[in-house]
Amino acid sequence: AQSVTQLDSQVPVFEEAPVELRCNYSSSVSVYLFWYVQYPNQGLQLLLKYLSGSTLVKGINGFEAEFNKSQTSFHLRKPSVHISDTAEYFCAVSTSGTYKYIFGTGTRLKVLA
Amino acid sequence: EAGVAQSPRYKIIEKRQSVAFWCNPISGHATLYWYQQILGQGPKLLIQFQNNGVVDDSQLPKDRFSAERLKGVDSTLKIQPAKLEDSAVYLCASRYSRADTQYFGPGTRLTVL
Repeated sequence: AQSVTQLDSQVPVFEEAPVELRCNYSSSVSVYLFWYVQYPNQGLQLLLKYLSGSTLVKGINGFEAEFNKSQTSFHLRKPSVHISDTAEYFCAVSTSGTYKYIFGTGTRLKVLA
Repeated sequence: EAGVAQSPRYKIIEKRQSVAFWCNPISGHATLYWYQQILGQGPKLLIQFQNNGVVDDSQLPKDRFSAERLKGVDSTLKIQPAKLEDSAVYLCASRYSRADTQYFGPGTRLTVL
């Protein structure tokens, strides 16, 4: 069975500073990996996804993530954050064929002025 | 294209009452999901439909929750009777049958008093 761990429940960071949100997964088969963002009182919006190929994935709003198979990680990064990036970020894993997502518990990113 | 629509956006009920949520997926999306997101947690899959058939309902509390997807388009999720622990955001998502990405609606926030 798959599982996802987001170790950081909250990450405060100053505006224009870089940020990394950590995601580790466990699975015995090949996986697909996703990062979603959730703004207050809204649904989840896809930031980026890894299916295959290049391990460095670029997404919307200047975010990127790197798939590391040996460390079973898929950390999300942004070189310079804005106040508007304040939101909850969820990592999810699924496997080919099921397309069933397993979500992490989320990381609340708070960007400080 | 129009996104996933859900209604109502908010609902407050007393425990032991009944409640129903409605979801209209993106046109052409054969797969539909209902998730429960409790405050501070990631979304948890309740049920997955492929067209109007159930693919996975292993985590649906069937003694009180029911869902249907008539004609393979709209879906309703019902809770009868509601308990305090059902307070959560209920998210609907849909996916095109040959794609990997799930698209989420804005959710319905349920408060059970």
